Amino acid sequence: LAKTTQPISMDSYEGQEVNITCSHNNIATNDYITWYQQFPSQGPRFIIQGYKTKVTNEVASLFIPADRKSSTLSLPRVSLSDTAVYYCLVGPFGIKAAGNKLTFGGGTRVLVKP
Amino acid sequence: DADVTQTPRNRITKTGKRIMLECSQTKGHDRMYWYRQDPGLGLRLIYYSFDVKDINKGEISDGYSVSRQAQAKFSLSLESAIPNQTALYFCATSDTGQGPYNEQFFGPGTRLTVL
Repeated sequence: LAKTTQPISMDSYEGQEVNITCSHNNIATNDYITWYQQFPSQGPRFIIQGYKTKVTNEVASLFIPADRKSSTLSLPRVSLSDTAVYYCLVGPFGIKAAGNKLTFGGGTRVLVKP
Repeated sequence: DADVTQTPRNRITKTGKRIMLECSQTKGHDRMYWYRQDPGLGLRLIYYSFDVKDINKGEISDGYSVSRQAQAKFSLSLESAIPNQTALYFCATSDTGQGPYNEQFFGPGTRLTVL
């Protein structure tokens, strides 16, 4: 299991771009990188997933360098409603063996200020 | 996600009592999971099931048991609740497939307090 390390918390202001970096030095060849968002008293919600290079959707972008030992979640022009905890997960999703490796770390608490 | 429901949403019980948490889903997914979240911490996997006849232990299965009654239902039981099982419990589902896009859909959570 690839251990992930991400900052405990980050503060930002409305309209700014927020970048959260996750380190996963022991990532395996068949591992994917996935990010989830969790609001207080709610279950996590999938944001984005990638394997290499860059992935973009309507919510965020995910940047993965060639060595894949880290990844950066980018939230463009955040608003107050983006205040949440963001989790980085690394695992071989999609195969049976992945079931016991779907571990959420402590996540990064992002606070967006007005 | 309204497609994944959990009952009860809140429960207060006493040490030694048997508790069952229910999860139902209408997404048609084969895979279901139970997680536990403690205050200020991430989620930890308790049990997971990839189909009706499949049950697997997760990271912290001691003190818990599960039952997959049907594709749409996955129950978590605490046979004899203890105070350190006080936590927020989440059920999740995901679709079957060999591809990487194994997005999990979470229920609203059950807040359990063991006195």
